[in-house]
Amino acid sequence: QKEVEQDPGPLSVPEGAIVSLNCTYSNSAFQYFMWYRQYSRKGPELLMYTYSSGNKEDGRFTAQVDKSSKYISLFIRDSQPSDSATYLCAMSARPENYGQNFVFGPGTRLSVLP
Amino acid sequence: NAGVTQTPKFRILKIGQSMTLQCTQDMNHNYMYWYRQDPGMGLKLIYYSVGAGITDKGEVPNGYNVSRSTTEDFPLRLELAAPSQTSVYFCASSSTGRPGSPLHFGNGTRLTVT
Repeated sequence: QKEVEQDPGPLSVPEGAIVSLNCTYSNSAFQYFMWYRQYSRKGPELLMYTYSSGNKEDGRFTAQVDKSSKYISLFIRDSQPSDSATYLCAMSARPENYGQNFVFGPGTRLSVLP
Repeated sequence: NAGVTQTPKFRILKIGQSMTLQCTQDMNHNYMYWYRQDPGMGLKLIYYSVGAGITDKGEVPNGYNVSRSTTEDFPLRLELAAPSQTSVYFCASSSTGRPGSPLHFGNGTRLTVT
């Protein structure tokens, strides 16, 4: 079993739809959770950061963490064609962001169709 | 503002050849990282550095070497290239080692070893 799993997609939705992107993980020690967005032929960029359980909202994006289920989600409201990208979840068990503490999921490719 | 710059963008190597992937950042970040990204896999950490003169191995260091003589530059050396090193390589930097501190990625080097 991989330490962090994501549905690879591709996920195709019409413009304006609500999108749900999910990650499951096996290490119950993870407590720092991040979502990165990666456009084609570009490097990833940080989208959302959440500590421990709960929700965090930033504009059209909401990050949700359920540590009891070892499950995190990213919701995108009113999706736009510019949201078409690969979304990577990342997580860490320790407050250090470096070294082998930081684990990325394989990514979900999203296409928002006009 | 350039951020993290990687060169070259693309490279084809023959088995057994060597090359250096260049990475430079202009944000005065102490933390720098090299990742590789393979289809269906999460980003895997190759090497990282917490400051000039300090480097350490990540999850997949075999076949690679790094040096960090200045804050700005963090080159990755491939010795005796093998087909298994065909991948997209990303360099990243961060200002601190804390999880909420974003990793700033370059746009990658696409390497094919044949």
